[in-house]
Amino acid sequence: QKEVEQNSGPLSVPEGAIASLNCTYSDRGSQSFFWYRQYSGKSPELIMSIYSNGDKEDGRFTAQLNKASQYVSLLIRDSQPSDSATYLCALENSGGSNYKLTFGKGTLLTVNP
Amino acid sequence: DTGVSQDPRHKITKRGQNVTFRCDPISEHNRLYWYRQTLGQGPEFLTYFQNEAQLEKSRLLSDRFSAERPKGSFSTLEIQRTEQGDSAMYLCASSRNGLPGGYTFGSGTRLTVV
Repeated sequence: QKEVEQNSGPLSVPEGAIASLNCTYSDRGSQSFFWYRQYSGKSPELIMSIYSNGDKEDGRFTAQLNKASQYVSLLIRDSQPSDSATYLCALENSGGSNYKLTFGKGTLLTVNP
Repeated sequence: DTGVSQDPRHKITKRGQNVTFRCDPISEHNRLYWYRQTLGQGPEFLTYFQNEAQLEKSRLLSDRFSAERPKGSFSTLEIQRTEQGDSAMYLCASSRNGLPGGYTFGSGTRLTVV
């Protein structure tokens, strides 16, 4: 099993809809989870971090974490065409102090006007 | 805060040549990371510096790859005897103590080996 798996996509939603992006992971000791947004040809940009079970909201973005199920998700409400990008799930590996991240392959989201 | 700067943005080289990339982190960030990203994949960890000390290297980093961070400021990543499989985006990121995972990525260097 890969360390971080994301729904394969691509995901296409109409403008104004809710986009749901999902991620599962294998390392039960992982403590920190992140969502990065990456526009085509650009570098990843951190949009959300979550460390404890439950929901964390920031504007139109909500991250959800369930450590028991080893699952983390990102909801984007009122999706806009500018949200069209690849969304990368990342976790910080447990047991070390170097804070390196393991990334999933990403899910390509397209928001149609 | 001028962000993480990488140079060059693009590099095309012939197979077998050596290339060197530079990364200037955010000035107060003591942690510096190099990642590699190929098309359709997420970034993969290559190596990590805390100040000037290289504390971890991935198995992905073959002996053709070397990274340095003299004086704990900028870092260089050198690839010797480049191969076509080295074609990728090389990303540098930095962070500071007490901010786990709070990476700021540079714009990356896209390497094409022909």
